[in-house]
This record gives sequence, structure tokens and C-alpha cells, in this order.
Amino acid sequence: AQSVTQPDIHITVSEGASLELRCNYSYGATPYLFWYVQSPGQGLQLLLKYFSGDTLVQGIKGFEAEFKRSQSSFNLRKPSVHWSDAAEYFCAVGGGGNKLTFGTGTQLKVEL
Amino acid sequence: GAVVSQHPSRVICKSGTSVKIECRSLDFQATTMFWYRQFPKQSLMLMATSNEGSKATYEQGVEKDKFLINHASLTLSTLTVTSAHPEDSSFYICSAPHKGLAPNEQFFGPGTRLTVL
Repeated sequence: AQSVTQPDIHITVSEGASLELRCNYSYGATPYLFWYVQSPGQGLQLLLKYFSGDTLVQGIKGFEAEFKRSQSSFNLRKPSVHWSDAAEYFCAVGGGGNKLTFGTGTQLKVEL
Repeated sequence: GAVVSQHPSRVICKSGTSVKIECRSLDFQATTMFWYRQFPKQSLMLMATSNEGSKATYEQGVEKDKFLINHASLTLSTLTVTSAHPEDSSFYICSAPHKGLAPNEQFFGPGTRLTVL
């Protein structure tokens, strides 16, 4: 069965600083990987996805992520964080039956 | 673009009553929808897969008699929390895959906040 680990429960960065959110996955085959963002009391918005091809994927809002098969990782990055990026970020891996398995999430706080 | 809606967005009910939550796919048909539950400050946990025209598939540990799922049409799935108790208070989110999306990619609804008093 697939699983996702997000080691960092909380991260605080200053506005304008760079960001990296970690995600490690476990899946037997080539994974389909996703990053979602959730604002308080809201549903999920897709930031980016990987399912084949270039291992560096670009997403919305200036986010990018790199798939590293050797490290079973799919870390999310942003060069310069904006205060509006404060939210909960979820990494997810797709498995059989179109199902998604989510990590426990990373709460991002942005200091002005 | 394709959107998934949920109704109601927020509901408060008394313990022992039943609550129905609707999930609709707008502008597209969804033969499959997913229901997730999210407790405060926790991740989304898949509860069940809703299948149009057939029985839902429940994840291990989810009580099918308590969480009734009906997928009566290609655009509507409903989740009924029967005999709700305070421990059922949670954020319920539905999602639907779309044929134009990548494998496993889903459109998510905005969620329904259930509070059981």
C-alpha cells in the first residue's frame, strides 16, 4: 500500500525567503504525485502534479517540485514566499482505483 | 472549468439525528466520487468510493451503516451520517476525477463542516 510522509508539521519562514516542504512517498510502481494547498475551512487546490516526463514540475503561484526517484521524494519549493502563501500543504500519492493517499500536511506560517 | 460543489457548507445538528451532505459535479459527469474526512489539524482520510449505479466501496474501519452513500446520478453523490454523535464532528470533503485530468487527479469540493452537539 502506498504512503506519504511529510516530516515537518509546522514551518515558519519570513516573507521573501525561500521555501522547501518535504515529502517522501512509498509506492511500488511509478507514482503519481501531487501537492495541494488548503486554506482554513476550505477545500483543496491543486498546486502541481507529476506523473511522467520532466522530473522538475512547475505549478501555480510560483511553486515547483522535483521528483527524485532515488530518494522517493517530491519536495515542494518556492524561491520567494508571499504572506498569502500561509496555509496547509498536503502531498499526495495516487494509487490503484484512482485513489489518493495524503500526507499529514505541513502548516506554513509566513512572518512579515 | 470543472467544479465540484458541496451542500451544505456548514451544518450543526443534535446528537442522534441524521445529516445528509450533497456532492455535485458541475459541467461534467462523475461515475466515481470520493468522500474524505478531515479532523482538525489532521490529514484527509479516504472514507469511501461512491460508484454511480452500484454500492459504495468503504475503506477499512469505516462503518457503512453509519455513513450511507448514494450515487443516484452521474452528477450527484450524497453522504448521510446516521445517528450522528459528537465524535462524528469533522470536515467532510468530496472529490471527483475527470477524464481530462491526469491519473488519480481529482477535483475537490469546498468541504462541509459538521458539528454534532
